[in-house]
Amino acid sequence: AQSVAQPEDQVNVAEGNPLTVKCTYSVSGNPYLFWYVQYPNRGLQFLLKYITGDNLVKGSYGFEAEFNKSQTSFHLKKPSALVSDSALYFCAVRDRDTDKLIFGTGTRLQVFP
Amino acid sequence: NAGVTQTPKFQVLKTGQSMTLQCAQDMNHEYMSWYRQDPGMGLRLIHYSVGAGITDQGEVPNGYNVSRSTTEDFPLRLLSAAPSQTSVYFCASRSGLGVQYFGPGTRLTVT
Repeated sequence: AQSVAQPEDQVNVAEGNPLTVKCTYSVSGNPYLFWYVQYPNRGLQFLLKYITGDNLVKGSYGFEAEFNKSQTSFHLKKPSALVSDSALYFCAVRDRDTDKLIFGTGTRLQVFP
Repeated sequence: NAGVTQTPKFQVLKTGQSMTLQCAQDMNHEYMSWYRQDPGMGLRLIHYSVGAGITDQGEVPNGYNVSRSTTEDFPLRLLSAAPSQTSVYFCASRSGLGVQYFGPGTRLTVT
């Protein structure tokens, strides 16, 4: 079965510093990978996806993610964090057999001024 | 484009009551789904639909029913509410490129 893991419940970073939110996956075949963000009391919003092609994927709000096949990782990154980036971030993988989207448990990002 | 809309935003039920959570999308997406979000558990798939007239179960379908009579609407019914169904419920629709669009959620409390 396909799955994703987000090993950190919370990530703290100072404003202006680079941030990384980690995600590892377990799939058979080539993965479809996604990152979503959830602001307080809101639904999830799509940030970026990897289907095929370049390993570095650029998304919304200055975020990017690096697909690493050998390490089965898809870490979310941003060169310079903003306080407004504070939110809950979810990694997800699309199960090719069932076509379902499987979510990780989420990582809370806290950016301090 | 309203995207994905959900009603109500908040609901309190007593154990044993039934209710329907409404979901609608105006993007003409075939694929729609319902998730529940609980602390520390991420999002878990309840039911999904690949098109009008077709529904299937997700990870946690017990206690919930769905139907899909039109492309736009995908209501979720709680048959006999239980405290374990206290959660935040999200409806989503998926584009052809695989991006999922979520509604704003319904916060349900069962006492």
